[in-house]
Amino acid sequence: DTGVSQNPRHKITKRGQNVTFRCDPISEHNRLYWYRQTLGQGPEFLTYFQNEAQLEKSRLLSDRFSAERPKGSFSTLEIQRTEQGDSAMYLCASSLDRAFAAYNEQFFGPGTRLTVL
Amino acid sequence: AQSVAQPEDQVNVAEGNPLTVKCTYSVSGNPYLFWYVQYPNRGLQFLLKYITGDNLVKGSYGFEAEFNKSQTSFHLKKPSALVSDSALYFCAGLNTNAGKSTFGDGTTLTVKP
Repeated sequence: DTGVSQNPRHKITKRGQNVTFRCDPISEHNRLYWYRQTLGQGPEFLTYFQNEAQLEKSRLLSDRFSAERPKGSFSTLEIQRTEQGDSAMYLCASSLDRAFAAYNEQFFGPGTRLTVL
Repeated sequence: AQSVAQPEDQVNVAEGNPLTVKCTYSVSGNPYLFWYVQYPNRGLQFLLKYITGDNLVKGSYGFEAEFNKSQTSFHLKKPSALVSDSALYFCAGLNTNAGKSTFGDGTTLTVKP
């Protein structure tokens, strides 16, 4: 399967712990997105990368959240000192697009469901 | 600020009847608009998009959508619904110079036999 993959699929952690999620995009895609989705809502944009450069970051993303895409391939999203409000589905998507313009559809991974106890 | 609204949380139709899932947008500049579908335990899948050109766009699985600039709408339609179309549908939009997409809150479509 050459789609977008995310690991782990599920993560249960205790409040205050750090967690890290990984996303492997479609190999030729230069753009990678992270979203957060809670029940009854659509995906909320968190951040996106054009190759290895992080071009935009949502104000929703507090300083406890950090994302990297070191070689322009896979990406990691880390949440430090998790809070119960961080419980959500974290989605990754990739696309092939020019910088600062997005004409093409995004391909989504299955998501990582985070539960913070 | 850009926003996308899906005014109906739930749409119910009988199999074989036409279906419409509504979306309105507020996007500065020229909008790019997308529809995605989410099946249970599956990632979002692209259905169709409007970038420019013909206001009626056709997509996967027999779906189509009409871009209406005066009404700022991009409603998803299908002439004859199938039970297998039952899923969660999301409308998304962005302006021409942004990487950020804004999604609606989704509409659950249920097609009854």
